[in-house]
Amino acid sequence: SAVISQKPSRDICQRGTSLTIQCQVDSQVTMMFWYRQQPGQSLTLIATANQGSEATYESGFVIDKFPISRPNLTFSTLTVSNMSPEDSSIYLCSVDQGAMNTEAFFGQGTRLTVV
Amino acid sequence: SQKIEQNSEALNIQEGKTATLTCNYTNYSPAYLQWYRQDPGRGPVFLLLIRENEKEKRKERLKVTFDTTLKQSLFHITASQPADSATYLCALRTSGGSYIPTFGRGTSLIVHP
Repeated sequence: SAVISQKPSRDICQRGTSLTIQCQVDSQVTMMFWYRQQPGQSLTLIATANQGSEATYESGFVIDKFPISRPNLTFSTLTVSNMSPEDSSIYLCSVDQGAMNTEAFFGQGTRLTVV
Repeated sequence: SQKIEQNSEALNIQEGKTATLTCNYTNYSPAYLQWYRQDPGRGPVFLLLIRENEKEKRKERLKVTFDTTLKQSLFHITASQPADSATYLCALRTSGGSYIPTFGRGTSLIVHP
């Protein structure tokens, strides 16, 4: 299993600013992911955070808007840049050992409100 | 296009009854199907996993079925309790491609005392 500490748990930000969300895992993990969850919607994968290299972004998400770092196997950050009210959502960090029969573990999420 | 469908309407049941939640999918060939529970303000928590060659899986009061012909999974909670109230998400993992799970939007379950 993995225990994930994600912070901040919530924030209210002014439009045009940036927020960096941190994800710390209590053990080394192969895969780390960042998801967005809008109210009543499913989890949407933003990107896979790759250790030591650039993140792999899903369609509709770009590095300039959501820069991601992953300096080691236990830590990652997601920055939401130049925020607008449309970025208001819950952002979730997830880890996985990358095998078909493994489960995903999630942080508690960051509830972001952009005003 | 690929789609995972879970009932968007909340399921309201009385305490003690069996809750049944549905997950339907199209244009997937999942190797594994998972169910997660999500409480408000929290991340999803894994509950059960079922493989494509398994018909049924149980864990305490939970039961999952997986019908690859109907392209459907049913998630049952027997003797439901108010503490079971949460949103339940299904997720698929397919073989031969990305192993990253794809999630449904979830169904909210409300168990009334």
